[in-house]
Amino acid sequence: EVQVVESGGALVRPGRSLRLSCTASGNSFHTYTMNWVRQAPGKGLEWVGFVRTNAYGGAREYAASVKGRFTISRDDSRNVVYLQMNSLKTEDTAIYYCARAFSSGTFYPPFDIWGLGTLVTVSS
Amino acid sequence: QSALTQPASVSGSPGQSITISCTGSNSDVGNYNLVSWYQQHPGKAPRLIIYDVTSRPSGVSNRFSGSKSGNTASLTISGLQADDEADYYCNSYSSGSTLYVFGTGTKVTVL
Repeated sequence: EVQVVESGGALVRPGRSLRLSCTASGNSFHTYTMNWVRQAPGKGLEWVGFVRTNAYGGAREYAASVKGRFTISRDDSRNVVYLQMNSLKTEDTAIYYCARAFSSGTFYPPFDIWGLGTLVTVSS
Repeated sequence: QSALTQPASVSGSPGQSITISCTGSNSDVGNYNLVSWYQQHPGKAPRLIIYDVTSRPSGVSNRFSGSKSGNTASLTISGLQADDEADYYCNSYSSGSTLYVFGTGTKVTVL
């Protein structure tokens, strides 16, 4: 069964940077779009962004709230997807989940495999 | 970009059916059949239970069903069970500034 595991969460000061990693098991990682979704403490889910497969040029899209500050990348040789977060704000405090896009046949598929998340706390 | 609107809480007795609504706009729910639903137990990761409005992933109970009318999508849980007590979130593709929009979330309580 495919699993994804996030890592890299930490306590950071506002304005600083942090990089999260998501490592996936299995041999077909390179065929899936990978997403990041976050959840502030006691709050709802918020989609952060995704990176498509190299077959689609590795295209990336981001939520308006993080565009220009966050960057998603992938390394298919290592089955890893990264979330580089710059200029962090207190409102970026959340559990960050990595989520695989489901093979539903649509161009904007839902998320079927989720990790347990990694906590990012932005505070002075 | 506004979140989709869900009731804060819904409750029901074991064996009953409940329905959770998810209201969006013509930029998301109303114009695209790309609505999904997620179940999240406390301290756990979300789980996909409905996608493309009405489809269920393999392994998801047929007690969960989805529908849509206009700008409102709905999730119905029939034969309510104790394990159904969780938070539920809808999600839709959006043509707005953010491609995926989640709902505000609904806490389901089994009485």
